[in-house]
Amino acid sequence: QKEVEQDPGPLSVPEGAIVSLNCTYSNSAFQYFMWYRQYSRKGPELLMYTYSSGNKEDGRFTAQVDKSSKYISLFIRDSQPSDSATYLCAMKTRSQGNLIFGKGTKLSVKP
Amino acid sequence: DAMVIQNPRYQVTQFGKPVTLSCSQTLNHNVMYWYQQKSSQAPKLLFHYYDKDFNNEADTPDNFQSRRPNTSFCFLDIRSPGLGDAAMYLCATSDGGREETQYFGPGTRLLVL
Repeated sequence: QKEVEQDPGPLSVPEGAIVSLNCTYSNSAFQYFMWYRQYSRKGPELLMYTYSSGNKEDGRFTAQVDKSSKYISLFIRDSQPSDSATYLCAMKTRSQGNLIFGKGTKLSVKP
Repeated sequence: DAMVIQNPRYQVTQFGKPVTLSCSQTLNHNVMYWYQQKSSQAPKLLFHYYDKDFNNEADTPDNFQSRRPNTSFCFLDIRSPGLGDAAMYLCATSDGGREETQYFGPGTRLLVL
């Protein structure tokens, strides 16, 4: 079993839809959880950062962490064509410096 | 603006011809990372520097080397590129703190002919 699992998609939604992106993980020591957005042929851009369990909201984006289920989510409200990108989840333990990435989910928002 | 800069953005090299990719940062971060990312795959960590301390991932091929002459700059050297080394190479930095959020550069896309 891989440490971090993420459905690669592609996921296609109409403009204005609510998008749900998810990752599962196996290492219960992960405490820091991130979502990166990566446009085609560009570097990943940090979108959301969450420590431990709970929700975090930033504009149209909400990140959720459920440590009991080892499951994290990113919700995008009122999705826009400019949200079309690959979304990578990443996580790390308190002691380990390295980020462990999911494979990324490719999202397409159609006008 | 503080940022992570990578040069060149696109690099074409010949099979077996050494190539060097560069990364610079204005964030004054302690830690610099090099990742390899192939199409539709997660970024794969090759190595990182914590200040001058070099940390190599166990499965990073010997063909890949790195240098960090100062805080701001880090180089990735590929001694004898093979066709399988064609990928996007991403540089990232972090401040080395507990949260250690990583900030990525735009990447260098390497093509091996």
